[in-house]
Amino acid sequence: DAGVIQSPRHEVTEMGQEVTLRCKPISGHNSLFWYRQTMMRGLELLIYFNNNVPIDDSGMPEDRFSAKMPNASFSTLKIQPSEPRDSAVYFCASSRGGVETQYFGPGTRLLVL
Amino acid sequence: GQQVMQIPQYQHVQEGEDFTTYCNSSTTLSNIQWYKQRPGGHPVFLIQLVKSGEVKKQKRLTFQFGEAKKNSSLHITATQTTDVGTYFCAGGGNSGYALNFGKGTSLLVTP
Repeated sequence: DAGVIQSPRHEVTEMGQEVTLRCKPISGHNSLFWYRQTMMRGLELLIYFNNNVPIDDSGMPEDRFSAKMPNASFSTLKIQPSEPRDSAVYFCASSRGGVETQYFGPGTRLLVL
Repeated sequence: GQQVMQIPQYQHVQEGEDFTTYCNSSTTLSNIQWYKQRPGGHPVFLIQLVKSGEVKKQKRLTFQFGEAKKNSSLHITATQTTDVGTYFCAGGGNSGYALNFGKGTSLLVTP
């Protein structure tokens, strides 16, 4: 099993640019989670999908953030326009259900200059 | 809503000393999971506890789930430098909603 796949692994961009992070969950998992991790705020849940449907996006910081899951094997997290305070590690995780074991991807390390 | 508090935030020990991190929830949990994140890595699942008062061991690691299913602890006996990392607890609510992660305890072990 390939595990959760995220791309890119690293992203450096300038303020104002659009950033798109991608995630491929483990096959057969029906729940997908996007997290943001910073030293100051720790691990924050941004959005949770179940069967491709967003269940809770209350953690999404603001309208600049959007997430989609067009099918069971792909999800994107988009930031437009990006700001320096968005610099963080973004993790995608998947599981067989909301409270089941979560399997994290390697993360995308985003730096917005 | 459900919150999971974890203490301490940081812990620095000498190799060979014991270490404990504590997790407390404001509401009853359906289960609790523990994850470890090595520096520069991603959280990796360690164990899940489901039953009231449950105790599980993994080599030098002992995990407990409180009788009221509102608290949990992870105890490491005789720490090693390989134990360095951040340990997260994550609680599952009874509604079956997504896990709620604590802020984590960062453990530093010096030889």
